[in-house]
Amino acid sequence: EPEVTQTPSHQVTQMGQEVILRCVPISNHLYFYWYRQILGQKVEFLVSFYNNEISEKSEIFDDQFSVERPDGSNFTLKIRSTKLEDSAMYFCASSFPGTALNEQFFGPGTRLTVL
Amino acid sequence: RKEVEQDPGPFNVPEGATVAFNCTYSNSASQSFFWYRQDCRKEPKLLMSVYSSGNEDGRFTAQLNRASQYISLLIRDSKLSDSATYLCVVKPISNFGNEKLTFGTGTRLTIIP
Repeated sequence: EPEVTQTPSHQVTQMGQEVILRCVPISNHLYFYWYRQILGQKVEFLVSFYNNEISEKSEIFDDQFSVERPDGSNFTLKIRSTKLEDSAMYFCASSFPGTALNEQFFGPGTRLTVL
Repeated sequence: RKEVEQDPGPFNVPEGATVAFNCTYSNSASQSFFWYRQDCRKEPKLLMSVYSSGNEDGRFTAQLNRASQYISLLIRDSKLSDSATYLCVVKPISNFGNEKLTFGTGTRLTIIP
C-alpha cells in the first residue's frame, strides 16, 4: 500500500540553526500539507501546497518557514532559524484531487527537538 | 469558542463495552467531518468520514447533528486494540478539496482487559 514517508524520524538542533524536514508524498497525489503537533497538544495546520504554490498557510507559518517541491518526489519544510517553541512533531500529508471527502494521508512524522 | 471541542478524557472502558464520544464545532458553514485515530507518538489515521445521514463501519458508528453542531462516534464491543486517541476533524467544503483539516484535542480511550 502506498504511503507517505518522512526523514529524518528525529532531528535535534540548536536554537538558531536551520533545519530541513523531508517528505515523499504518495506518488499520484497532487496536494501536499504540513502539520505540527506540540507534545500534549492538538495537531495544527501549517501550510498546504499545490502546483508549486502555497494554497493556504496558518498564522504559525511565518517568514521563518518555507516549503519547496525541489523535484518530482520530495516536499520539504525549512525552518530558517529554529526557536525552542518549534520543538514538535511535524507531519507531512498528501491527498489526491477529488471530492470534498478526499482523504489526507499522513506520514509517520519527524520529531524536532530544539535545544 | 474553540473551532472543534472534545472531552479529552481519559475514558477507561472494560473490553466488550460500548463507548461514545462527542465533539462540537463552532463554524456552521458547509464542512466535512471525520474521525481520525492517533496511537501514541504516531501519525493520525482516518477512521471514518461522517455523513449527514450517519454511517456505520463494523463496530463504529458516526453521527452528525448539524442543528446542534455536534458529531459523535460510537464504538461497540470494544477491543484492546481500540485503545488510542480519537480525533474529531473538520474541513471546509470547496471545489478544490485541499482545504486544511482542523483537529480537536482528541479523546483518549483505554480499553481495560
